[in-house]
Amino acid sequence: GQQLNQSPQSMFIQEGEDVSMNCTSSSIFNTWLWYKQEPGEGPVLLIALYKAGELTSNGRLTAQFGITRKDSFLNISASIPSDVGIYFCAGQLSGTASKLTFGTGTRLQVTL
Amino acid sequence: GAVVSQHPSWVICKSGTSVKIECRSLDFQATTMFWYRQFPKQSLMLMATSNEGSKATYEQGVEKDKFLINHASLTLSTLTVTSAHPEDSSFYICSAIRDRVLTGELFFGEGSRLTVL
Repeated sequence: GQQLNQSPQSMFIQEGEDVSMNCTSSSIFNTWLWYKQEPGEGPVLLIALYKAGELTSNGRLTAQFGITRKDSFLNISASIPSDVGIYFCAGQLSGTASKLTFGTGTRLQVTL
Repeated sequence: GAVVSQHPSWVICKSGTSVKIECRSLDFQATTMFWYRQFPKQSLMLMATSNEGSKATYEQGVEKDKFLINHASLTLSTLTVTSAHPEDSSFYICSAIRDRVLTGELFFGEGSRLTVL
């Protein structure tokens, strides 16, 4: 099935650093979602974006819906150890009953 | 927020047996649920869309006779892996949307890890 291109594939950063990851697609999506998954768990929704150009924050997390509707980025400021996990972007088309297409994932490791 | 629960969290079975995984929406009604499969260190791949009261819609390449989906009520969908083989070992995750909401946030279950010996 289709997947979105997500980069970087993995990141090793020090506590306190800022993190940026992005997601690109050859197709247009009407909604972009960012999820975090920890080992052995299901994904947990972090941020949902519904409008091209929209910039939304959730605590230390900020995400933007690209103007072209083909990309999105997620920033994490002042990272802490509990930020460790895999971050997935997901795109959604309207009229597809909320079917999601997931990105390839960004694995984040935070060192003290 | 919405809560989706899966059971069992993990299961080990012998090759040739069938395994049923349940997905429940605990505090909302879900006319549509989705079943995903995730291999180690990979992304989630949609297997099928489960619709309450009707047949599931399977993604290309997913065997419907192998992965039986039943959505008998607004709060429960089940995935049965029939005649399981070691290659069916995977992490299976369900998700659900609220009734009458067609776009936006999908809430995921905790996942069920299947190991077939």
